[in-house]
Amino acid sequence: SQQGEEDPQALSIQEGENATMNCSYKTSINNLQWYRQNSGRGLVHLILIRSNEREKHSGRLRVTLDTSKKSSSLLITASRAADTASYFCATGENTGTASKLTFGTGTRLQVTL
Amino acid sequence: NAGVTQTPKFQVLKTGQSMTLQCAQDMNHNSMYWYRQDPGMGLRLIYYSASEGTTDKGEVPNGYNVSRLNKREFSLRLESAAPSQTSVYFCASSIWTGQETQYFGPGTRLLVL
Repeated sequence: SQQGEEDPQALSIQEGENATMNCSYKTSINNLQWYRQNSGRGLVHLILIRSNEREKHSGRLRVTLDTSKKSSSLLITASRAADTASYFCATGENTGTASKLTFGTGTRLQVTL
Repeated sequence: NAGVTQTPKFQVLKTGQSMTLQCAQDMNHNSMYWYRQDPGMGLRLIYYSASEGTTDKGEVPNGYNVSRLNKREFSLRLESAAPSQTSVYFCASSIWTGQETQYFGPGTRLLVL
């Protein structure tokens, strides 16, 4: 079963605007990660936020985590056409020797000129 | 470094045929993973290997077998392919140092007729 559910499923914005994607999950987590997938390609890691963190920044990305609401958001500021991709949240469970990830269904972002 | 490589890139099988998907990483990672991605869905974990010599089932292991050949290589075998196994298969790896980021290969598109 999918642990994370992204909202919205699809988002279309113009270049320069901000894009916000939300992720909700069901169980306790060790960390939450966001990945990007360009059409027909593999996933690329964007950012990881641990369960004891509330906010994290990386370049134009800002991620928040609210463990009481079991939710996270990804904000991409000043979006560019190159940001067009699908974005997935993934919740991390550490087994002690491996990190198992459970992925959400993704948000498809379209950035137009 | 090539990162994570997968072969083949695309394969067509008939129902009942068998095949092995190959994955290799050159990042000296301990853990490796196989996922499948169906249209409009997130990734689902098939099997993972925490370290050389160990393998464990993920969310959807039925119909698949894996082999961790050595630290670099992790293969996925379909013994008797079924149309329900039509999907895109991704291999990933991670190093266990408390960092849970996974690095993904480009994927193998499999069509079972």
